Amino acid sequence: DVKVTQSSRYLVKRTGEKVFLECVQDMDHENMFWYRQDPGLGLRLIYFSYDVKMKEKGDIPEGYSVSREKKERFSLILESASTNQTSMYLCASSLITGGDGYGYTFGSGTRLTVV
Amino acid sequence: AQKVTQAQTEISVVEKEDVTLDCVYETRDTTYYLFWYKQPPSGELVFLIRRNSFDEQNEISGRYSWNFQKSTSSFNFTITASQVVDSAVYFCALPFFGGYNKLIFGAGTRLAVHP
Repeated sequence: DVKVTQSSRYLVKRTGEKVFLECVQDMDHENMFWYRQDPGLGLRLIYFSYDVKMKEKGDIPEGYSVSREKKERFSLILESASTNQTSMYLCASSLITGGDGYGYTFGSGTRLTVV
Repeated sequence: AQKVTQAQTEISVVEKEDVTLDCVYETRDTTYYLFWYKQPPSGELVFLIRRNSFDEQNEISGRYSWNFQKSTSSFNFTITASQVVDSAVYFCALPFFGGYNKLIFGAGTRLAVHP
């Protein structure tokens, strides 16, 4: 069964810490995405990557960075965690084109609490 | 600009009732896809359907049906004879203008089906 795996389901971090959220997919997908999910706001795109070492900002990149050194792995980095980054973080991957269209495969999410 | 509006924040029904989740969108694209995803309590978003804007025929899959009306920019989702297992958050989504497979999501509708 194809999968997008997020390394942690729950994380609690302190304000000011550097936080790494890891995402791995085994489907050889070109595209990978990081979204955050907040009540009443839906999913908002933070960053995405369409190839190794390539990245593009989404709607809300401030306070975040990403790394994609290998095709299967896409990391989200909170340079200095703040309480307003407490949220559910969702990773997704997709093919660029083809029969899958724009459909995403999602991970189970990481619920991050910054205290 | 691309926009997806799900005006219903929460819906509560009793098992076996029919329920319709509304989705209204705005897009500058002349051809586009629309999506519905389901997020059960486990957290992982699950793909339900992709609809091409060329095809305005209603689609039915078991108890699920979708009504796409380009004239009113709506893509509504109906669950017939709802079940407790349908309890989830449902998201409607539309690709960003310009491609790269980026999806913009609505705020989501939380459906609670009570026994």
